[in-house]
Amino acid sequence: GQNIDQPTEMTATEGAIVQINCTYQTSGFNGLFWYQQHAGEAPTFLSYNVLDGLEEKGRFSSFLSRSKGYSYLLLKELQMKDSASYLCAVRFPKFYFGSGTKLNVKP
Amino acid sequence: ETGVTQTPRHLVMGMTNKKSLKCEQHLGHNAMYWYKQSAKKPLELMFVYSLEERVENNSVPSRFSPECPNSSHLFLHLHTLQPEDSALYLCASSQELGQGKNIQYFGAGTRLSVL
Repeated sequence: GQNIDQPTEMTATEGAIVQINCTYQTSGFNGLFWYQQHAGEAPTFLSYNVLDGLEEKGRFSSFLSRSKGYSYLLLKELQMKDSASYLCAVRFPKFYFGSGTKLNVKP
Repeated sequence: ETGVTQTPRHLVMGMTNKKSLKCEQHLGHNAMYWYKQSAKKPLELMFVYSLEERVENNSVPSRFSPECPNSSHLFLHLHTLQPEDSALYLCASSQELGQGKNIQYFGAGTRLSVL
């Protein structure tokens, strides 16, 4: 299987900016997805990248570098409700998920 | 509400029991998926169905048996499970399989405990 690596846990302050990184093996890459999962709830789609560059959607942005096997999710103007796990998923074309990054937003 | 409903939300079963998990999607999608989510581990893709045909089976033990009677419903039949099978089982659906921005929509999952 493929290794999708992302940090296990991060803490940030309300109103701040946080960047969650994701790295993967480049061979066979066919698209990268970010999902948000609140405890006890369904993962929900945040963003999709297949070409290099930045995709912006409101307070959330996602960046991709295919040659480096690297993506990040950028969350701006953090709110308490952003406390959740953020899952990086890569299609090879089989889907592989990272273990998720648990983000704690503090007042 | 994601349009994907899973029942039951919680299930406790003994190792000799037989039970089934149910997933229903109201999105008109053609592809459906079963995933296993264990604590601190990546989501593991178990089965994939496209237009009611199983297209992927990722080395899942035979004590898990999927069924897709139509494109809106997906079942996971469980029998003689082991304690290590305790996990959150997630169902997802997408418009199609394959290339492109085929977003998967997830249900809230069934929390399974095997005693």
